[in-house]
Amino acid sequence: DTEVTQTPKHLVMGMTNKKSLKCEQHMGHRAMYWYKQKAKKPPELMFVYSYEKLSINESVPSRFSPECPNSSLLNLHLHALQPEDSALYLCASSQAEIGGYTFGSGTRLTVV
Amino acid sequence: GEDVEQSLFLSVREGDSSVINCTYTDSSSTYLYWYKQEPGAGLQLLTYIFSNMDMKQDQRLTVLLNKKDKHLSLRIADTQTGDSAIYFCAESKRGSSYKLIFGSGTRLLVRP
Repeated sequence: DTEVTQTPKHLVMGMTNKKSLKCEQHMGHRAMYWYKQKAKKPPELMFVYSYEKLSINESVPSRFSPECPNSSLLNLHLHALQPEDSALYLCASSQAEIGGYTFGSGTRLTVV
Repeated sequence: GEDVEQSLFLSVREGDSSVINCTYTDSSSTYLYWYKQEPGAGLQLLTYIFSNMDMKQDQRLTVLLNKKDKHLSLRIADTQTGDSAIYFCAESKRGSSYKLIFGSGTRLLVRP
């Protein structure tokens, strides 16, 4: 298995909703990432987990809450989002600090 | 500082070669990457080069690195319509805790 799987592929949520994005990989990668990508822009790093511990939080608002239950799973819990949070949310994983990331196909989130 | 720049758009005829350019400012970059993103999809790692290399070739792809000028290029030989996508260069640095910095992306359009 050489993939990063993200669910759901599309999500529409209201500003008072609570939802979660899920990411799974079975490549034995020890680092996992959440990126946010707005239209026609490059991905922006949100969080990095290394060996299941949060190692980077790029000053992300607390309405985004990451969780790494085990070495294969990464969640992003969403609560009280704003319309400007609508974007493509990409999960990625990598084996080591230096090396290519493997990206999932993303969850397209729309906040209404 | 951390700044990776690319030209926004490139149009080529099918069968021609494409050259996508990237400049970066941080001389401590360790690895430099090229990613491809098709519409509605995640990012696909195409190739990467270690900063002590000048060139890397992989089938139709040739990466050239001029470390003195901090210039990276991706040449695609015999460009096909399926190569139409956005191409991102990215850099990472040892000791930066897995952080990957992306350029703004170059949209490649291949005309039949």
